[in-house]
Amino acid sequence: DVKVTQSSRYLVKRTGEKVFLECVQDMDHENMFWYRQDPGLGLRLIYFSYDVKMKEKGDIPEGYSVSREKKERFSLILESASTNQTSMYLCASSLSQGGSDTQYFGPGTRLTVL
Amino acid sequence: EDKVVQSPLSLVVHEGDTVTLNCSYEVTNFRSLLWYKQEKKAPTFLFMLTSSGIEKKSGRLSSILDKKELFSILNITATQTGDSAIYLCAVEPAGTASKLTFGTGTRLQVTL
Repeated sequence: DVKVTQSSRYLVKRTGEKVFLECVQDMDHENMFWYRQDPGLGLRLIYFSYDVKMKEKGDIPEGYSVSREKKERFSLILESASTNQTSMYLCASSLSQGGSDTQYFGPGTRLTVL
Repeated sequence: EDKVVQSPLSLVVHEGDTVTLNCSYEVTNFRSLLWYKQEKKAPTFLFMLTSSGIEKKSGRLSSILDKKELFSILNITATQTGDSAIYLCAVEPAGTASKLTFGTGTRLQVTL
């Protein structure tokens, strides 16, 4: 079974803090994704990566950056957290580019920025 | 810009009812449409549809795609309280690293 894990289920940070959200997958997937999920807005793609050290902006990259130094790990960074970044953050991975590949999701991190 | 619209936004039914969830989409160069179920945490995969008119079925759940009219439906028969969840529809365009565009979801509540 594919397993996608995220470093924290719940996180509370203060405005201006630097925040790291970690995601690890154990199935040697090439693609990894970060989404945020907000009521009424659904899942929105922040960044994705299709290979080590490669990254692409999604639909809402502003205020975020990412890092993929190893294939299994994809980190989302909030350089200076703001209250409008309070949200549920979901990481996902999929096998390869080309062809239709199911995305598998982690359990999510609920981030509150005070 | 790719777009996915799901309806209804929310639905309350009694156990044993049959429900139909709708998903319409606009996407450049369609590759696939996916349905996910989200309970308390991670969305879990239900179906992937790539061809028109072919029904995918898993137990009491089934789904079908109409590529001409650009929509899909998810049917759940004999609903149970365990079917209560948010159902997400997403589309994948060709030529990208499985980049999905999601709808806002349909929240289904099944009551006794």
